[in-house]
Amino acid sequence: GESVGLHLPTLSVQEGDNSIINCAYSNSASDYFIWYKQESGKGPQFIIDIRSNMDKRQGQRVTVLLNKTVKHLSLQIAATQPGDSAVYFCAGETGGGADGLTFGKGTHLIIQP
Amino acid sequence: GAGVSQSPRYKVAKRGQDVALRCDPISGHVSLFWYQQALGQGPEFLTYFQNEAQLDKSGLPSDRFFAERPEGSVSTLKIQRTQQEDSAVYLCASSLMGGDNQPQHFGDGTRLSIL
Repeated sequence: GESVGLHLPTLSVQEGDNSIINCAYSNSASDYFIWYKQESGKGPQFIIDIRSNMDKRQGQRVTVLLNKTVKHLSLQIAATQPGDSAVYFCAGETGGGADGLTFGKGTHLIIQP
Repeated sequence: GAGVSQSPRYKVAKRGQDVALRCDPISGHVSLFWYQQALGQGPEFLTYFQNEAQLDKSGLPSDRFFAERPEGSVSTLKIQRTQQEDSAVYLCASSLMGGDNQPQHFGDGTRLSIL
């Protein structure tokens, strides 16, 4: 089966710096990935997604990179703000749509003033 | 616009009681998912509906867990004879289409505590 995991449980960055959150996956058949942000007491909030036929996708202040060779993806947040403090999850899906997403444990992003 | 709505937000029950958790997906979304999230962990898949059909229930931990979506919109997750290990946040998500590569949008969950 698939496992999706994050490299670090906690990441502390200075306000205004860029943040990079990493994620590894094990199932080479995974063809769709999503990054979610989860604040305390709330559900996961969609940030950005990427399909396996892409290497990079950009959104507003966020970029996701996918390296299928080493089965690794990352989320880059530019000019990190206090509101970015949250737990970030990567999630993967294996084709078909009927499968639920497989989540990693999450990285807690802490913004220091 | 309205997102996924779950109720109640908090539920406390005594061990052995039955509970029912409700999910109102985004209007028009075909697919609906239930997840269980333990403290400090990522969500874990429980079950999936496409319209009213339950296409995958492989993640349900035991036969005490039952989910339904009779009219293809609102869904209910029922847990019978609750146990302490059932304490978790139960998340519902919906996506627009039945195919793959569709982002799932989550509600804020129901926090279930079994005493």
